[in-house]
Amino acid sequence: AQTVTQSQPEMSVQEAETVTLSCTYDTSENNYYLFWYKQPPSRQMILVIRQEAYKQQNATENRFSVNFQKAAKSFSLKISDSQLGDTAMYFCAFMKHGSDMRFGAGTRLTVKP
Amino acid sequence: ETGVTQSPTHLIKTRGQQVTLRCSSQSGHNTVSWYQQALGQGPQFIFQYYREEENGRGNFPPRFSGLQFPNYSSELNVNALELDDSALYLCASSRSWTSGSYNEQFFGPGTRLTVL
Repeated sequence: AQTVTQSQPEMSVQEAETVTLSCTYDTSENNYYLFWYKQPPSRQMILVIRQEAYKQQNATENRFSVNFQKAAKSFSLKISDSQLGDTAMYFCAFMKHGSDMRFGAGTRLTVKP
Repeated sequence: ETGVTQSPTHLIKTRGQQVTLRCSSQSGHNTVSWYQQALGQGPQFIFQYYREEENGRGNFPPRFSGLQFPNYSSELNVNALELDDSALYLCASSRSWTSGSYNEQFFGPGTRLTVL
């Protein structure tokens, strides 16, 4: 069974600084996808970034980038130039091709002014 | 393009009652997945519907059931409610995987269910 572990229940960062959220997963699959989702207090789950396991190049989306280490089964999210609007719960998720999505327990990120 | 919508926003029930939650998928999407998110936890997969058929189920008892309609909207029904059913219920819609490539899931805002 696939499991996703986020070892940091809470983190904080000063506005404009950089923060890295950690995620590890366990799978025997070779073809899968990894995601970071943001869930602000409004509850709507928003996709931040996606990584296909077959791609060696790390995904980037503006201020968000990932460090994907397939052999280590690690998938961390780096947020650069943190903004107050980045304050939210962040969930790491795993999905094997054609299957359901498995989420970690989440990291609560607070950006301080 | 209309996003994923869910109703109601909030709901309060008592133990033993039954509840129906509704989800309207995004235009062009034929697959709906339901998730339960307990307070302080990540979402847990309940089941998925594709073309009106259940297409995968997580570790939830049979009192959790669902439907998908020809317009691809969906319902989640929970019978004999228990206190532990109190949670945020999320639905997500997407296009199917038949094209062989990943299709992004778009989440609705959720329904907050409280069981007293």
